[in-house]
Amino acid sequence: NAGVTQTPKFRVLKTGQSMTLLCAQDMNHEYMYWYRQDPGMGLRLIHYSVGEGTTAKGEVPDGYNVSRLKKQNFLLGLESAAPSQTSVYFCASSPPGREKNIQYFGAGTRLSVL
Amino acid sequence: GENVEQHPSTLSVQEGDSAVIKCTYSDSASNYFPWYKQELGKRPQLIIDIRSNVGEKKDQRIAVTLNKTAKHFSLHITETQPEDSAVYFCAASLFTGGGNKLTFGTGTQLKVEL
Repeated sequence: NAGVTQTPKFRVLKTGQSMTLLCAQDMNHEYMYWYRQDPGMGLRLIHYSVGEGTTAKGEVPDGYNVSRLKKQNFLLGLESAAPSQTSVYFCASSPPGREKNIQYFGAGTRLSVL
Repeated sequence: GENVEQHPSTLSVQEGDSAVIKCTYSDSASNYFPWYKQELGKRPQLIIDIRSNVGEKKDQRIAVTLNKTAKHFSLHITETQPEDSAVYFCAASLFTGGGNKLTFGTGTQLKVEL
């Protein structure tokens, strides 16, 4: 049981390049979330999903797209990276039922856009 | 939307002393208030949470209090130890069938000095 796994751990992009961040969970969780963390600003919700095939916008969705084709995977895409997207990205998931409020975080992806 | 303010941004205490971190929230409908601890370069980890129908919750050296009328909640750490040094984040959310969209505070850097 690996929990929430994010790949890659580090990435450097040039402005205008695209990439996809992968989040995988093996806990059969229904809900999945993507956050970004910038110095002095805490974590901010980018997009989230309440189940396979569903996605919704969070607080800061512009410049990102997501997909949840399989329950265990939640992908975050940057179509044309900008320096403002330099950040640490965290994925989280939460189970159904009594513990649905609790979010379990992945180890993060550190992205630099030059 | 929800807005969470957290104070102080940095806190230095002597080992064995108590530490208190305070948060206020804006949306009176919020019903879930977790606290996360994040060590340098690590993922956020849930340390304690409280629901809106409870005024106080304690887990060993950690306690959280909630004042719904004033819309503020606090984290209390007693008998602090060097391993308590980390960044602490409060968050607030209204859990619905549409997921648990956490709004985080900006974090408190706690340093426990020997």
